[in-house]
Amino acid sequence: ILNVEQSPQSLHVQEGDSTNFTCSFPSSNFYALHWYRWETAKSPEALFVMTLNGDEKKKGRISATLNTKEGYSYLYIKGSQPEDSATYLCAFQDGMRFGAGTRLTVKP
Amino acid sequence: DAGVIQSPRHEVTEMGQEVTLRCKPISGHDYLFWYRQTMMRGLELLIYFNNNVPIDDSGMPEDRFSAKMPNASFSTLKIQPSEPRDSAVYFCASSFSTPRNEQFFGPGTRLTVL
Repeated sequence: ILNVEQSPQSLHVQEGDSTNFTCSFPSSNFYALHWYRWETAKSPEALFVMTLNGDEKKKGRISATLNTKEGYSYLYIKGSQPEDSATYLCAFQDGMRFGAGTRLTVKP
Repeated sequence: DAGVIQSPRHEVTEMGQEVTLRCKPISGHDYLFWYRQTMMRGLELLIYFNNNVPIDDSGMPEDRFSAKMPNASFSTLKIQPSEPRDSAVYFCASSFSTPRNEQFFGPGTRLTVL
């Protein structure tokens, strides 16, 4: 994989649902993977920076895992709330190559 | 701390004019990044500095773009001459100690070139 790819492109869930998205990145020359949360009309906000294979990080209801050997990271949101609605971006740190993001909408 | 400060927040200019965007990183941060966001290309890294020295400018689109960091608390991104295709939101971000640390983004400058 030469580019950073995120799936799905968009996601609509009900309040209380748990959800997850995927970020795929080049599996060679890994340095770091960043996850950002980006609300409309605001600037990206850092969630996690992941550096080691097998890393698992958690912040409240949001967690992320990292597999550098196969080149993917998962972001999980447990019990989604309307305020979680945002675009979630990952960035592979080779320079900084961003995916196109997953746009999450949580319906009350 | 006030966070990363960018000015102006909005800029409208005519094709051919020089545009200067400004950024003040968070005090103590030694990495500074300039990004551009467009609908077509998403968020792209243009250039980043460490201790005021440009480290990687491979994302700078062409010679019309230049960036400087004369001191630890100020950076500029200049476009001369500007073209309509430069219309985008330009973000500045800073981080501390290592580029692996989380980056703090400024509010962005929305540039429109007519």
